[in-house]
Amino acid sequence: GAGVSQSPSNKVTEKGKDVELRCDPISGHTALYWYRQSLGQGLEFLIYFQGNSAPDKSGLPSDRFSAERTGGSVSTLTIQRTQQEDSAVYLCASSFVTYNEQFFGPGTRLTVL
Amino acid sequence: GESVGLHLPTLSVQEGDNSIINCAYSNSASDYFIWYKQESGKGPQFIIDIRSNMDKRQGQRVTVLLNKTVKHLSLQIAATQPGDSAVYFCAVGNTGNQFYFGTGTSLTVIP
Repeated sequence: GAGVSQSPSNKVTEKGKDVELRCDPISGHTALYWYRQSLGQGLEFLIYFQGNSAPDKSGLPSDRFSAERTGGSVSTLTIQRTQQEDSAVYLCASSFVTYNEQFFGPGTRLTVL
Repeated sequence: GESVGLHLPTLSVQEGDNSIINCAYSNSASDYFIWYKQESGKGPQFIIDIRSNMDKRQGQRVTVLLNKTVKHLSLQIAATQPGDSAVYFCAVGNTGNQFYFGTGTSLTVIP
């Protein structure tokens, strides 16, 4: 079956522009996570969605970051007025239920010039 | 919160030898632990997990050991193969929602 997919795989943008990153989780997975991975670093939690519950946004680094999940499936992470320090790989993961094995997508590599 | 660290950022082993990758965590309330493997250009891939009611769990060529007393877990890979070369992360959960990841150990298998 299909795994988690993310698009685009690479995104180069200019400082100050807005970007949208997309995640298609595995069908039937109720939990969806966004992480950021900087070069040589571990994964930094950004936001978590579980079913129809209010998302856990505690990891979002600033109000320039937002995410939504429509219809309990596809999720979009939006970064407004991008800064160079936003350059990283953004990973999406989904799991069948909360607090369980997460399946990761291949990530979107964001480069802010 | 949680603080997760790995003991060695890099590890080189000879093909066929056993590998041991270690991870330490800080929160004694942490109760779910996962090891992931990440190959270059790919997302992390689940290897094995363990919950706090266990101290050992085995998979195919992999074993995870959990020592809650010293807040330490390890991943053992038996008969390491070139395809095992990757970055290995431990993930620690203690709130039911979030997982905290270590910075990763880069394993290189020497043929």
